[in-house]
Amino acid sequence: QKEVEQNSGPLSVPEGAIASLNCTYSDRGSQSFFWYRQYSGKSPELIMSIYSNGDKEDGRFTAQLNKASQYVSLLIRDSQPSDSATYLCAVNHDQAGTALIFGKGTTLSVSS
Amino acid sequence: GAVVSQHPSRVICKSGTSVKIECRSLDFQATTMFWYRQFPKQSLMLMATSNEGSKATYEQGVEKDKFLINHASLTLSTLTVTSAHPEDSSFYICSAPGGAANYGYTFGSGTRLTVV
Repeated sequence: QKEVEQNSGPLSVPEGAIASLNCTYSDRGSQSFFWYRQYSGKSPELIMSIYSNGDKEDGRFTAQLNKASQYVSLLIRDSQPSDSATYLCAVNHDQAGTALIFGKGTTLSVSS
Repeated sequence: GAVVSQHPSRVICKSGTSVKIECRSLDFQATTMFWYRQFPKQSLMLMATSNEGSKATYEQGVEKDKFLINHASLTLSTLTVTSAHPEDSSFYICSAPGGAANYGYTFGSGTRLTVV
């Protein structure tokens, strides 16, 4: 059973702070890792993808991957109230073509 | 950018009736479509994978006779919930690989199904 685990939260941070979201996965054969943001009643939207160990930065977002520890994280710098949403970690076995397995998501609340 | 158009966005139906949900890839060919279901405060759970020109593959515990999937062309996949019951009320989302950079996935906008 392939599983993706996330702390459901809620994670509350003040505006301007760094939000740290964590995810672990069970399948050592996983190759691709994604972070999605989902607003209530809406479809997920891609924030970051990462495939290699280390850090990947895109604007205020940094994804970190450690395959040995089966761990992937997302850092959001200078958090804004508009970042308040549920963040879903998703994993798949191959680089392309197979279904994503999602975690339950972490709810982030950024207070102004 | 790549778009998967999903319709309807919301549907309310009576118990025992059937509902069809369509997902169309607008500017790329989707040979594969993944169908997910999401209950409130839960994650997206993969229901089935449809492939153009072949039978869909269903995840364990998903009734293939209840959730009929048809992938008639490279741009259209449909999910029909047959004899719907209140417990089928959920948020259904389709997703196609490709059509986006970095081996990404393109998601439909989702369908909120309410069975009364």
